[in-house]
Amino acid sequence: DAGVTQSPTHLIKTRGQQVTLRCSPKSGHDTVSWYQQALGQGPQFIFQYYEEEERQRGNFPDRFSGHQFPNYSSELNVNALLLGDSALYLCASSKTGQSSANYGYTFGSGTRLTVV
Amino acid sequence: GDSVTQMEGPVTLSEEAFLTINCTYTATGYPSLFWYVQYPGEGLQLLLKATKADDKGSNKGFEATYRKETTSFHLEKGSVQVSDSAVYFCALSDPGPGTYKYIFGTGTRLKVLA
Repeated sequence: DAGVTQSPTHLIKTRGQQVTLRCSPKSGHDTVSWYQQALGQGPQFIFQYYEEEERQRGNFPDRFSGHQFPNYSSELNVNALLLGDSALYLCASSKTGQSSANYGYTFGSGTRLTVV
Repeated sequence: GDSVTQMEGPVTLSEEAFLTINCTYTATGYPSLFWYVQYPGEGLQLLLKATKADDKGSNKGFEATYRKETTSFHLEKGSVQVSDSAVYFCALSDPGPGTYKYIFGTGTRLKVLA
């Protein structure tokens, strides 16, 4: 049973560019959350998507946007990249009725984004 | 706002040594508490959790007890193995309705030597 799948695994972009990261949730899961993990830091919540809508958002600027598709997969888009956006981006999934963080989420291995 | 503080690493131990990783939290309500582990090149895996005061979470020989009076959730293991080498994250979530995010600590790297 495949867990959470993220692509690509690594990415290098130039300042000012735009990037799209992709996530396929674990089979049976319909909710997707995104986290940013800077080097040496804990993950920071970006937002969560459920039923193709953004349900909760963390303290991230509007440059960070997302989308969820009918098959529950999700994309994270970052516009006007800054050097400080360099980080590991983690996707986490869960299923309806267990979408509270209290149940525990399944995390992917992440996409390492480097902005130069 | 809510926050989690973990002891700084790295923590280096010999195999079979006793492990303690300290975690304290600040929260306005009564959060649920978690330990996640991140092995090299992998995502976070839920290690254990506790949802109310005095609960003890346990898994794979690891334990942590939710101490409301000291706002702590320290991770312990009686005898570590080389395979336990990883980064450990303490996290909390607000159990209130409409809350779906974790607040993580900065992580503690554990290195176990054979």
